[in-house]
Amino acid sequence: KQEVTQIPAALSVPEGENLVLNCSFTDSAIYNLQWFRQDPGKGLTSLLLIQSSQREQTSGRLNASLDKSSGRSTLYIAASQPGDSATYLCAVSNTDKLIFGTGTRLQVFP
Amino acid sequence: DAGVIQSPRHEVTEMGQEVTLRCKPISGHNSLFWYRQTMMRGLELLIYFNNNVPIDDSGMPEDRFSAKMPNASFSTLKIQPSEPRDSAVYFCASSLGTGRLEAFFGQGTRLTVV
Repeated sequence: KQEVTQIPAALSVPEGENLVLNCSFTDSAIYNLQWFRQDPGKGLTSLLLIQSSQREQTSGRLNASLDKSSGRSTLYIAASQPGDSATYLCAVSNTDKLIFGTGTRLQVFP
Repeated sequence: DAGVIQSPRHEVTEMGQEVTLRCKPISGHNSLFWYRQTMMRGLELLIYFNNNVPIDDSGMPEDRFSAKMPNASFSTLKIQPSEPRDSAVYFCASSLGTGRLEAFFGQGTRLTVV
């Protein structure tokens, strides 16, 4: 059974810092890995999708890497801003379903 | 495109009542997913459809829960009778295909059963 873990559970940093969020999964036979952002009381917004054949994807200040063999992904956020404050969720797909981690709650303070 | 549309956004109901949640997926998407989110258990997949056919309903917690997708543009999740422990945020998501492709989520329905 696929299990997805995210570390840390919560993170508080000053504005401007570069930071890394971690995601690990137990079954490396995945189709893809997706990072989402969730603001309080809101739905999930897709940030990046990495196919199993890819090593990384970039969008603006976000960079996500995937090491399928070791069951790990990282989301790198450069020059963090208060507007980045949210919960970040990773999800893997190894059948037809997305299996989610429990998320990292990020707070960026001015 | 307006994205995945869910209704209602909020629902408060009394224990024992029937609750129906609705979802309109993104036009052209073939797969639709229903998730439940709680503080204790995070995001759990309840059921998903591919081309309007239920593929996996193993996440549906009890027989009180049922889901339908009568056509490509509409799905419902019904709880009958509702119980306080059903209180959660229910999300609908859609994608062009199955889990191989990017999933897009609706804004969710916050259900409170009192």
